Amino acid sequence: ETGVTQSPTHLIKTRGQQVTLRCSSQSGHNTVSWYQQALGQGPQFIFQYYREEENGRGNFPPRFSGLQFPNYSSELNVNALELDDSALYLCASSLGTGNTGELFFGEGSRLTVL
Amino acid sequence: AQRVTQPEKLLSVFKGAPVELKCNYSYSGSPELFWYVQYSRQRLQLLLRHISRESIKGFTADLNKGETSFHLKKPFAQEEDSAMYYCALKLSSSASKIIFGSGTRLSIRP
Repeated sequence: ETGVTQSPTHLIKTRGQQVTLRCSSQSGHNTVSWYQQALGQGPQFIFQYYREEENGRGNFPPRFSGLQFPNYSSELNVNALELDDSALYLCASSLGTGNTGELFFGEGSRLTVL
Repeated sequence: AQRVTQPEKLLSVFKGAPVELKCNYSYSGSPELFWYVQYSRQRLQLLLRHISRESIKGFTADLNKGETSFHLKKPFAQEEDSAMYYCALKLSSSASKIIFGSGTRLSIRP
């Protein structure tokens, strides 16, 4: 069984740039959720994708967008980066839309915005 | 607003002592509560969920709707319990959204 994998693991961007983060879900999982974890904080829900459609969104501006592909992998895109976007971005997969509440997390992509 | 509060950022106890990690939530609907754990150099993973009423690695947690709490307890701490613990709330109104607390770092002293 292949776990959730994320890439890149670390990256540095400057204000105003755009970034794309990638996630491959665990084998057999069709739902992907994205979370932002700032230093010293818990994960904050960004959005969830199910069957290639956005299936719920947290309090994040539209410059945070995503995609899910037919193989259930996903991308998180952030435009017009701000310093406060510096964080660990976690991807989590689940089977169905998370009715059991069990999420399987990746190791995250650490983004630094200068 | 929905919220999960973990009042302790750090909890340090001796091996063999009882452990209680506090979690309070704010939600007007029917809550589902979970505890997630992150051991050193490992990824975040589910520890237990209230609907299962199970004991995992000696940990238990009881949902108290009157006090809106879901404290995590273990009678005798072990060194391998040292980790970051997050309480999480799944909203009944949203199949997708799970809200996490800010976490408590549990440190077990030998």
